[in-house]
Amino acid sequence: KAGVTQTPRYLIKTRGQQVTLSCSPISGHRSVSWYQQTPGQGLQFLFEYFSETQRNKGNFPGRFSGRQFSNSRSEMNVSTLELGDSALYLCASSLEGGGGGYTFGSGTRLTVV
Amino acid sequence: QKEVEQDPGPLSVPEGAIVSLNCTYSNSAFQYFMWYRQYSRKGPELLMYTYSSGNKEDGRFTAQVDKSSKYISLFIRDSQPSDSATYLCAMRIKAAVNKLTFGGGTRVLVKP
Repeated sequence: KAGVTQTPRYLIKTRGQQVTLSCSPISGHRSVSWYQQTPGQGLQFLFEYFSETQRNKGNFPGRFSGRQFSNSRSEMNVSTLELGDSALYLCASSLEGGGGGYTFGSGTRLTVV
Repeated sequence: QKEVEQDPGPLSVPEGAIVSLNCTYSNSAFQYFMWYRQYSRKGPELLMYTYSSGNKEDGRFTAQVDKSSKYISLFIRDSQPSDSATYLCAMRIKAAVNKLTFGGGTRVLVKP
């Protein structure tokens, strides 16, 4: 069974630009969560979507946003990029209730120059 | 201070030794506890998932949760060089089903 697919794998952007990252969850998983991973702060929760609705949100500025489509695929967008946004962005999918744990994709490595 | 603390390591052990990892946390509302393994350039992979206090064993892995001490552990028996990775603990409260709080990760090196 296919895992969680994130595209693109690598991205280089310039300060001030915006970026959109994509995540396709495991078939049948309706929940998608996004995390930012940096050496200094580790893995931090950004937001979670279930059935096209944002259910939880972490402590990130409004420049970080996301959405989920009817087929459960999700995108996250970062506007007005800052150097500090350079990170590995991971998405995780799970069944409703999360009882089986969460399956992560390999992430998108974003570098802001 | 972070909600979940984890020694960053690196923790270096010889092949065949027991690897002992732990996390402490401050939020008493955490009820679900997980351990993930992350290889370089990969996403975290779920190893163990436990609810509340107690022990859980799965093959070479044993997870322990002591809620009274706000302390969780992961033991890896008969460690192999392929176990060399970063190990992350994660936890969540009952209400926020898909919002995990992670420790910073411990880098483990198993030497042949």
